[in-house]
Amino acid sequence: DVKVTQSSRYLVKRTGEKVFLECVQDMDHENMFWYRQDPGLGLRLIYFSYDVKMKEKGDIPEGYSVSREKKERFSLILESASTNQTSMYLCASSARGPQHFGDGTRLSIL
Amino acid sequence: TQLLEQSPQFLSIQEGENLTVYCNSSSVFSSLQWYRQEPGEGPVLLVTVVTGGEVKKLKRLTFQFGDARKDSSLHITAAQPGDTGLYLCAGARADKLIFGTGTRLQVFP
Repeated sequence: DVKVTQSSRYLVKRTGEKVFLECVQDMDHENMFWYRQDPGLGLRLIYFSYDVKMKEKGDIPEGYSVSREKKERFSLILESASTNQTSMYLCASSARGPQHFGDGTRLSIL
Repeated sequence: TQLLEQSPQFLSIQEGENLTVYCNSSSVFSSLQWYRQEPGEGPVLLVTVVTGGEVKKLKRLTFQFGDARKDSSLHITAAQPGDTGLYLCAGARADKLIFGTGTRLQVFP
């Protein structure tokens, strides 16, 4: 079974802090994705990556950046956290087929 | 702009009832996936439909892709409490997915 592991289930940070969310997958998938999930809005794509050191903006990249130094690891970075970035963050990976998701990180920015 | 609208947004029913969830778009997708998400977990794939008009069955769940590949429906027969969860449709475009707004289903015993 594919395993996508997100480093934290819950995280509380303060406005202005730099925040790192980590995601690791164990199936050698080329593609990795970061989404945020908000009630009534479904999942919205922040950034994605098709290969190591490669990144593409999704639909809502403002205020975020990503890093993919190794194939199995995809990091989401909030450069200066703001309260409107309080959300559930989901990481996913895929080969050519369906996406496999981690269990999410519920991030609160105070 | 939300490209995929799901209805209803919320659904509370008794065990044994039937229900249908709709996923509608004005855009064409190469395929459409349905996921279920339970509290505290990430979404898990239920099915992928690829061909216009395609119907797939997964036990008591029936999935249909519209002829024009713009919409889809999920029908659950004789719902059970274990069906409770958030149902998400997602349209595939290139290697990305466009997710619907979600339908939260609660089935009471």
